[in-house]
Amino acid sequence: DQQVKQNSPSLSVQEGRISILNCDYTNSMFDYFLWYKKYPAEGPTFLISISSIKDKNEDGRFTVFLNKSAKHLSLHIVPSQPGDSAVYFCAARIAGGTSYGKLTFGQGTILTVHP
Amino acid sequence: GAGVSQSPSNKVTEKGKDVELRCDPISGHTALYWYRQSLGQGLEFLIYFQGNSAPDKSGLPSDRFSAERTGGSVSTLTIQRTQQEDSAVYLCASSRRPTSGTDTQYFGPGTRLTVL
Repeated sequence: DQQVKQNSPSLSVQEGRISILNCDYTNSMFDYFLWYKKYPAEGPTFLISISSIKDKNEDGRFTVFLNKSAKHLSLHIVPSQPGDSAVYFCAARIAGGTSYGKLTFGQGTILTVHP
Repeated sequence: GAGVSQSPSNKVTEKGKDVELRCDPISGHTALYWYRQSLGQGLEFLIYFQGNSAPDKSGLPSDRFSAERTGGSVSTLTIQRTQQEDSAVYLCASSRRPTSGTDTQYFGPGTRLTVL
């Protein structure tokens, strides 16, 4: 049961253009969402997050949008740079319980930004 | 300061052998997590330690998997009688305050396990 889904395995974008990475979830108990970026042979690094009480969070070139009714979030990167080429993982956290911090991850999307 | 470290970085073993994977979390972080990433898959939660509380083992795929965290710091993930489907990258993460809404998990570089 894949509770967090990234349906696009890969995305290719020209440098300077916008990259849009999408993520869908099924569990309405999720209350916090995160994006992680992963380079080969390294662990994932935190990029940006959003609480379920918000619909947008912006940090420099990165913006995350949350549509709770559609159970959908997206990450926008503007402008895209070749150094952004990596695997991007969407993750979600469920509210309450004893594993408050446990994250559920999507399968990841490989972003390639061409010079 | 130092990040999360894991050892070994790579481990090749034969089917049926036991393996131990080690994680050193960031100093002062009370929470520690183990995940694994199989080929073409996302990160799959395995186990979570928080302070002195009983660990959440709900993600462990079988009783061949176990983990411990000694002294609230270093953690060891043990896989007994390894199978080929155990081949994956095993990632450890730690965080400071998991009950905080903005708590961030910091990941180590992972251990790539290959079971022949």
